[in-house]
Amino acid sequence: QVQLVESGGGLVKPGGSLRLSCTTSGFTFTDYYMAWIRLAPGQGLEWLSYISGSGGTIYYADSVKGRFTVSRESGKNSLFLHMNSLRAEDTAVYFCARDKDNYFDSWGQGTLVTVSS
Amino acid sequence: QSMLTQPPSVSGAPGQRVTISCTGTNSNLGAGYGVHWYQHVPGTAPKLLIYGNDNRPSGVPDRFSGFKSGTSASLAITGLQAEDEADYYCQSYDRGLSGVLFGGGTKLTVL
Repeated sequence: QVQLVESGGGLVKPGGSLRLSCTTSGFTFTDYYMAWIRLAPGQGLEWLSYISGSGGTIYYADSVKGRFTVSRESGKNSLFLHMNSLRAEDTAVYFCARDKDNYFDSWGQGTLVTVSS
Repeated sequence: QSMLTQPPSVSGAPGQRVTISCTGTNSNLGAGYGVHWYQHVPGTAPKLLIYGNDNRPSGVPDRFSGFKSGTSASLAITGLQAEDEADYYCQSYDRGLSGVLFGGGTKLTVL
């Protein structure tokens, strides 16, 4: 069955960096766009980025453009989110999800990122 | 403007029917993009409930149904059960953002 497992979250100071990983199994990784989505405390879901199966097409939400970089490694069936210049408002649970025609049919359990001094 | 608006909360007794509305704009639902619905119990992975306005993935009970017309959409849940207590989100694509947009979420309480 399809599985997505995020890792890499933790506590980081404002201005710091963090790299999140999403390890996948149970499907042909390169056949799907993949996305990162977050849920901040007291807020709703927020789409951050998606990347095509080949990695050649990438989109970002304005809130993270220029600070976050998405990438994928097909040999490891893994998705990554490199986060720089982190702010308190980036505190959230970060989910990876499989994109199926602009909706998300499988999600991971999420990894918590806390930005605080 | 790029928004999907949901009521913050709804409630119902076991066995009742509830609906959750999702109001969009001409840059998302009104532009013909599909609406999708997710159920999220805090601490777990969000779950796809409805895709493409009114389609249920396999394994989702037929108590859940979706509807879309113009710039509005709704999720209906019949035969409410305690396990349905969760946060529900609508989602679409927005051409103004050139990206995905979620509604603010609706907390369903089963009384």
